[in-house]
Amino acid sequence: NAGVTQTPKFQVLKTGQSMTLQCAQDMNHEYMSWYRQDPGMGLRLIHYSVGAGITDQGEVPNGYNVSRSTTEDFPLRLLSAAPSQTSVYFCASSDHGTGDQPQHFGDGTRLSIL
Amino acid sequence: AQSVSQHNHHVILSEAASLELGCNYSYGGTVNLFWYVQYPGQHLQLLLKYFSGDPLVKGIKGFEAEFIKSKFSFNLRKPSVQWSDTAEYFCAARNNAGNMLTFGGGTRLMVKP
Repeated sequence: NAGVTQTPKFQVLKTGQSMTLQCAQDMNHEYMSWYRQDPGMGLRLIHYSVGAGITDQGEVPNGYNVSRSTTEDFPLRLLSAAPSQTSVYFCASSDHGTGDQPQHFGDGTRLSIL
Repeated sequence: AQSVSQHNHHVILSEAASLELGCNYSYGGTVNLFWYVQYPGQHLQLLLKYFSGDPLVKGIKGFEAEFIKSKFSFNLRKPSVQWSDTAEYFCAARNNAGNMLTFGGGTRLMVKP
């Protein structure tokens, strides 16, 4: 059971570079989301999707884009990386967008912006 | 806006000590509450959840949490911690009709052998 798979696990970028963090799930979950984890701030929601073709902004969406062309994949794009985006990024999925389903998390991507 | 507060940022205990981690949320409607654990170098895993019914919920590994609606609290407890409980613990809240899960800032627990 693969669950939620994130790639890459580690990445170092220079300021201004762009990149895409990949997230895929094989559980046929409708709901997918991206969080960033920073010390002392817990996890903050960047963007989420309640199904293919539907995305919405979370708490901290600036500087990030997402798309959801398939149920399985939910990539996160940094168009012009900034040092403030240095963080650990987690992708998560759950069966429905309503409140009663726990999230399944990927292993995270540790991103450093120089 | 919904928010979740965890009062203790760092907790250090000896093995066999009792644990209580505080969590308060601010949301006026029906809310679903979760505790997640993140062991060093791993992703978050669900410890327990509350949706409705008995306010005392039991989770994995001997953890439990009590939902006190009047205090907007959902504290995590364990009667006797083990060294293997060393991890970071996150409380989270999600409104019943909403799509956003809000996390607290986390509590780092270190259990000394």
